[in-house]
Amino acid sequence: QVLLQESGPGLVKPSETLSLTCTVSGGSISSYYWSWIRQPPGKGLEWIGYIYYSGSTNYNPSLKSRLTISVDTSKNQFSLTLSSVTAADTAVYYCVRDQSSYCSGGGCSVGPYYFDYWGQGTLVTVSS
Amino acid sequence: DIVMTQSPDSLAVSLGERATINCKSSQSVLYSSNNKNYLAWYQQKPGQPPKVLIYWASTREFGVPDRFSGSGSGTDFTLTISSLQAEDVAVYYCQQYYSTPYTFGQGTKLEIK
Repeated sequence: QVLLQESGPGLVKPSETLSLTCTVSGGSISSYYWSWIRQPPGKGLEWIGYIYYSGSTNYNPSLKSRLTISVDTSKNQFSLTLSSVTAADTAVYYCVRDQSSYCSGGGCSVGPYYFDYWGQGTLVTVSS
Repeated sequence: DIVMTQSPDSLAVSLGERATINCKSSQSVLYSSNNKNYLAWYQQKPGQPPKVLIYWASTREFGVPDRFSGSGSGTDFTLTISSLQAEDVAVYYCQQYYSTPYTFGQGTKLEIK
């Protein structure tokens, strides 16, 4: 059973940088895509971006200028940093595994595809 | 960006009755090279992360009860719960993984009537 656990400060001041780490257990970080998704209190889900275990990334354009996602395969972790935060960045942040392959009669294809494993989420509040 | 629009926003259904949630995408999420719809459905209960129910628009995730089914193609999709159980009270989201940025519908809150 793959488990994901977010860690990091629950309170960040406006204009500062939000940093979170996701630790993956029960499976290797290799050969998969890994995403961050956030959910403001009482609202819907927003995909932030993903990283492949090799280090390639894809970011939501709405956050791209402030966002960095990195991976440390030796620690089975991936991380998020979001700079210049405002109250609008207050949300529960989830780290998530992207199902990264599907196989049919013709062979297998590499994703990313849908989100199959989620962390429990961590609430980050931006406030002075 | 592909905009995902769900209807209704909320739904109240009696126990044992059918619940139907619709999802419409602003452009097709059907990938012609493999004839697959890049559409998933998630269930989120209070205080929990979302859980995938359906992927490729109609494939049920392992362990998901068979009262949950997905249908549709192109831009119009439906999640059906054939016989509502008390434990199905949740918010349901559709999501496209056809192109980035991946996007979700606004959610449909399902309650017991």
